[in-house]
Amino acid sequence: GAVVSQHPSRVICKSGTSVKIECRSLDFQATTMFWYRQFPKQSLMLMATSNEGSKATYEQGVEKDKFLINHASLTLSTLTVTSAHPEDSSFYICSARVSGGVSYEQYFGPGTRLTVT
Amino acid sequence: QKEVEQNSGPLSVPEGAIASLNCTYSDRGSQSFFWYRQYSGKSPELIMSIYSNGDKEDGRFTAQLNKASQYVSLLIRDSQPSDSATYLCAVITSGTYKYIFGTGTRLKVLA
Repeated sequence: GAVVSQHPSRVICKSGTSVKIECRSLDFQATTMFWYRQFPKQSLMLMATSNEGSKATYEQGVEKDKFLINHASLTLSTLTVTSAHPEDSSFYICSARVSGGVSYEQYFGPGTRLTVT
Repeated sequence: QKEVEQNSGPLSVPEGAIASLNCTYSDRGSQSFFWYRQYSGKSPELIMSIYSNGDKEDGRFTAQLNKASQYVSLLIRDSQPSDSATYLCAVITSGTYKYIFGTGTRLKVLA
């Protein structure tokens, strides 16, 4: 149980274009999903918290107009990197919490490696 | 600034030995603690969660929590080369449900 998928697993795009990453909880409902970014040899940095049916909450320093998050259903959240630049190249990972659960455990998707050329 | 600290390593142990990974946190009000394993190029995988003082065992893994001293540790018994990975400690601090991650400890199990 508690499987989270992400698509695509790897994407290469040109500078200035937009990229959408999907995060799905496959066998549970997730009221809350999280988006992280991880640069090489660094730990995960939380970018934003995505709540189903409401606006995402962004961490300090993360541009909400550049990283658009939509949590349209209890099993799907999307992250769109708009006007991507080479410095946005990173490993983007989503996670999800089980809705209604007493545990705060987060289950991570496999990640999306974004390369902006 | 609420912080979670781990020794970055690498921690090298021989196969079959016990690996001990430590994590300290600054927020005394923290209530929930998690250990994740992350292989190179992959996303984190939950190993254990612990919420109460004391030990919690799951197979070869034992998590230990001491809230008074503000540390949480992970013991891996009978370490295998396949355990070689980065181990991340995550803490949920008071007043929020968000994780704060440590920088991770890189473990190398030598065959």
